[in-house]
Amino acid sequence: AQRVTQPEKLLSVFKGAPVELKCNYSYSGSPELFWYVQYSRQRLQLLLRHISRESIKGFTADLNKGETSFHLKKPFAQEEDSAMYYCALNDNFNKFYFGSGTKLNVKP
Amino acid sequence: DAGVTQSPTHLIKTRGQQVTLRCSPISGHKSVSWYQQVLGQGPQFIFQYYEKEERGRGNFPDRFSARQFPNYSSELNVNALLLGDSALYLCASSVFLGQGASEAFFGQGTRLTVV
Repeated sequence: AQRVTQPEKLLSVFKGAPVELKCNYSYSGSPELFWYVQYSRQRLQLLLRHISRESIKGFTADLNKGETSFHLKKPFAQEEDSAMYYCALNDNFNKFYFGSGTKLNVKP
Repeated sequence: DAGVTQSPTHLIKTRGQQVTLRCSPISGHKSVSWYQQVLGQGPQFIFQYYEKEERGRGNFPDRFSARQFPNYSSELNVNALLLGDSALYLCASSVFLGQGASEAFFGQGTRLTVV
């Protein structure tokens, strides 16, 4: 069965510090992984997806099939990065399975 | 483009009542999905519709039903409401179906409170 795990509910870092939000998944097929972000009082929006291999707002994420992980990283956190981050797995029929989310708090 | 729009934004219902939530996808998007987000958790998949047909259903009771109209808008219905149905209901639309598809765009959600 598909499952996405985000072990940290809250992550607090200081501005300029590196950030890593952890995500592990279980899926029997070939997964498509995403990170979605929700800023305060805004709708859920796509941050990045593994197949595009892009860096968005300084964030990157590498799919590690051996460790079944898709951790989100940024070398230098900014205050505007404070938000809820959800890791999600897309199955063959465009159904998303979300983790429980990690709240990132970047302190000045 | 207004993006995915959902109505109403907030709703209060009494246990046992029925509720209908509405979603208008982005123009040109043919796939609509519904998610339930309980406080403190990530969104959980309820239904997916594509070209007016149900293409997927999550682990929800038969009290939950949905449909998609010829203009690709969608309704989610919940009968015999329970306190546990209180949640944010999200609608997402995408261009088509399947992996490699364009991203799913989410609406602002409908906050349903059952008292």
